Amino acid sequence: SYVLTQPPSVSVAPGQTARITCGGNNIGSKSVHWYQQKPGQAPVLVVYDDSDRPSGIPERFSGSNSGNTATLTISRVEAGDEADYYCQVWDSSSDHRVVFGGGTKLTVL
Amino acid sequence: EVQLVESGGGLIQPGGSLRLSCAASGFTVSSNYMSWVRQAPGKGLEWVSVIYSGGSTYYADSVKGRFTISRDNSKNTLYLQMNSLRAEDTAVYYCARAMVRGKWPFDYWGQGTLVTVSS
Repeated sequence: SYVLTQPPSVSVAPGQTARITCGGNNIGSKSVHWYQQKPGQAPVLVVYDDSDRPSGIPERFSGSNSGNTATLTISRVEAGDEADYYCQVWDSSSDHRVVFGGGTKLTVL
Repeated sequence: EVQLVESGGGLIQPGGSLRLSCAASGFTVSSNYMSWVRQAPGKGLEWVSVIYSGGSTYYADSVKGRFTISRDNSKNTLYLQMNSLRAEDTAVYYCARAMVRGKWPFDYWGQGTLVTVSS
């Protein structure tokens, strides 16, 4: 089955840029979605189809995807961005499964 | 306004059964792919099941043969029938709607319902 690998944690100072990676075999051939989850809350979609943003999501959130790595980039990080972030793909080659990465805890120092 | 409201969670003994419901408003459940996603305490998101707009259903290996996803179009409600529950099924269960455009990202999620499997 398809596996997505994320770093467990990323730390960044306010105002700096955070990059959260999501590794998968030839992930560049798939569409990657990213979710933000704060404690006690449901996940929120922040980037879809590699680099599109839903309405209401700040332009500070962007994404890219190529080769074996997809990346969520958060520019000018704010304290309110501290959360868990998950990448996700649909693996239609494997019984139509949805696959989530293990999640990355973003800490704002 | 799109809303998803789960219900039906609770404490259940191992081997027992439970049915979760997800009442939708602001859109038609049968027009979208709908999924259940769970999150064990302190753990990450785990996909459970999906029902396509055409009615096809798919399951994670961990629940295949024990869980059944369905929908009632007249009630605009999604269900998850969970049988032969195990301790490792303990989690918050979310229903989620996949967008009809793009590669089906989950754009709306319910607030979640907690299922605790314990004797």
